[in-house]
Amino acid sequence: DGGITQSPKYLFRKEGQNVTLSCEQNLNHDAMYWYRQDPGQGLRLIYYSQIVNDFQKGDIAEGYSVSREKKESFPLTVTSAQKNPTAFYLCASSSSGTGSKYGYTFGSGTRLTVV
Amino acid sequence: KNEVEQSPQNLTAQEGEFITINCSYSVGISALHWLQQHPGGGIVSLFMLSSGKKKHGRLIATINIQEKHSSLHITASHPRDSAVYICATRSQGNLIFGKGTKLSVKP
Repeated sequence: DGGITQSPKYLFRKEGQNVTLSCEQNLNHDAMYWYRQDPGQGLRLIYYSQIVNDFQKGDIAEGYSVSREKKESFPLTVTSAQKNPTAFYLCASSSSGTGSKYGYTFGSGTRLTVV
Repeated sequence: KNEVEQSPQNLTAQEGEFITINCSYSVGISALHWLQQHPGGGIVSLFMLSSGKKKHGRLIATINIQEKHSSLHITASHPRDSAVYICATRSQGNLIFGKGTKLSVKP
């Protein structure tokens, strides 16, 4: 079955280290997204990519970086510049285009804890 | 900027009860999504609506475009329905999420 795979599910890192979260999809979706979820808040968009080799900043991109070298993969790096990196990170994908007929598929998330 | 408000924030129900979760938004949208997030964190897409009503099993979602309001109903609720339900609106390409409604169904 097609879907999105995020790994790892739980990740612990020391303060000051960069860490990369993996997101892979086999849905042949053009667009991919990274969201951050904090307790009591709605999901917030970090970065998104609508096509290979192109990506755009979302609402909270500072301290994060991404790449989109392959259609299937959209890894997120949490850099040491991110002041409060402990959070739950969700990856999603959708078919390209705007309009109401395009749905989203979400991954199972990575919970990052920085100690 | 679109604001998405959900109510209630928390909801506790007895098994078998009819449940309604509400979502209001402030600007025109191309679609509204209802999502379900289980304690493990993964999110499942339940519905995508641009008008009218959709039904899937015991779940019903409605949207009133003029009033900028949507509701998610669960009939004959069951403890396995316990989860966080999230409303998200789509306009100009990206999703704006509500903070979620935490539902707990007691046996």
